[in-house]
Amino acid sequence: ETGVTQTPRHLVMGMTNKKSLKCEQHLGHNAMYWYKQSAKKPLELMFVYSLEERVENNSVPSRFSPECPNSSHLFLHLHTLQPEDSALYLCASSQDSYSNQPQHFGDGTRLSIL
Amino acid sequence: GQQLNQSPQSMFIQEGEDVSMNCTSSSIFNTWLWYKQDPGEGPVLLIALYKAGELTSNGRLTAQFGITRKDSFLNISASIPSDVGIYFCAGRGGPDMRFGAGTRLTVKP
Repeated sequence: ETGVTQTPRHLVMGMTNKKSLKCEQHLGHNAMYWYKQSAKKPLELMFVYSLEERVENNSVPSRFSPECPNSSHLFLHLHTLQPEDSALYLCASSQDSYSNQPQHFGDGTRLSIL
Repeated sequence: GQQLNQSPQSMFIQEGEDVSMNCTSSSIFNTWLWYKQDPGEGPVLLIALYKAGELTSNGRLTAQFGITRKDSFLNISASIPSDVGIYFCAGRGGPDMRFGAGTRLTVKP
């Protein structure tokens, strides 16, 4: 139990579907992150939120839309995805976004695009 | 952005052997982190290093923060089958955090 919970754990969707990934952290952290993990590649940072404000967006296509309603919850809304978007999507949280405190990860959502 | 060079990419060892892996970067980091990821799960923090030269242990794991602040290593002593997984290094400099591509460890009983 890492204190970061992601749902669903697995998701299969067609390219025209709309779905959302959910992340919840129980660690009292102020920063939350979305990462994409593809096979044999380093983790790719997608979005960073600090106190519910987006502080970083690493040139992610608009078909990925994040939402952070409060410091404990983070969503990733998916729409019109492509096959190359199939990957493990990891959520993480940390005390804040600017210090050296480590990030703690959830178990991810395994996304498959048909 | 700048990624970390993590080596080796994979290791196949016999149970009981010691393991060593490392990460290097052209950039300076203020924090070095080592994570382990088991199949179907997210990365779990093993060791965090905050000072150049720092040597920290967590059970059979030992990690060091390089003096130049551009590298770190992780050693696992007397490996056991449950050490199997992917080990990631990460360097953090303020808001910037970079990951290595991982070292996949296989332990043969």
